[in-house]
Amino acid sequence: EVVLTQSPGTLSLSPGERATLSCRASQSVSSSYLAWYQQKPGQAPRLLIYAASSRATGIPDRFSGSGSGTDFTLTISRLEPEDFAVYYCQQYGSAPLTFGGGTKVEIK
Amino acid sequence: EVQLVESGGNLVQPGESLRLSCAASGFSFSSYAMSWGRQAPGKGLEWVSSISDSGSGTYYADSVKGRFTISRDNFRNTLYLQMNSLRAEDTAVYYCAKRQGSGRSYGSFDYWGQGALVTVSS
Repeated sequence: EVVLTQSPGTLSLSPGERATLSCRASQSVSSSYLAWYQQKPGQAPRLLIYAASSRATGIPDRFSGSGSGTDFTLTISRLEPEDFAVYYCQQYGSAPLTFGGGTKVEIK
Repeated sequence: EVQLVESGGNLVQPGESLRLSCAASGFSFSSYAMSWGRQAPGKGLEWVSSISDSGSGTYYADSVKGRFTISRDNFRNTLYLQMNSLRAEDTAVYYCAKRQGSGRSYGSFDYWGQGALVTVSS
């Protein structure tokens, strides 16, 4: 099983600042099959990034993903008020599919 | 517009069974693999099970293998999760989700339902 470790657990930032979220895998994620999701309280997750760096339909270009192998990063270039939420990474290179524990981006 | 609507969530006692349904619309249901995920109260996301577009391939998390069964009806555009021998640790909001893109039997998920709450308690 591929274990995903996200850091930091909580990120306290102000609107307009840059957010950098990390997702580290316990073994190489095949074919960069890694996705990022945003989840707000009481809502279903929303796909942001798939295949490590491809933006999903309708996702603003302030969201970008990078990385390969075992180290992946989600960057939000300038935080908007609606971006404060919990973010999860997910690998789908091999079953069982696994999610990271999440990073909460909160308003400083 | 893609819509996924779960139903069947309920309060059940340990050891009982429950079947969740997910009605899909707005896309060619039979062309996409589908999955179930869950989220325990205040916790993170957990993948539960996936099924190929034809239904011939199924995959399960170890935590539910042998107790849960995923299936689909491509004529009724509906995904199912039969849950037997339920435990307190199965308490969660259960989401159905559509695979982003076609091909493999599992992947990332570009559409999610609103979730169905399953509570297992005596």
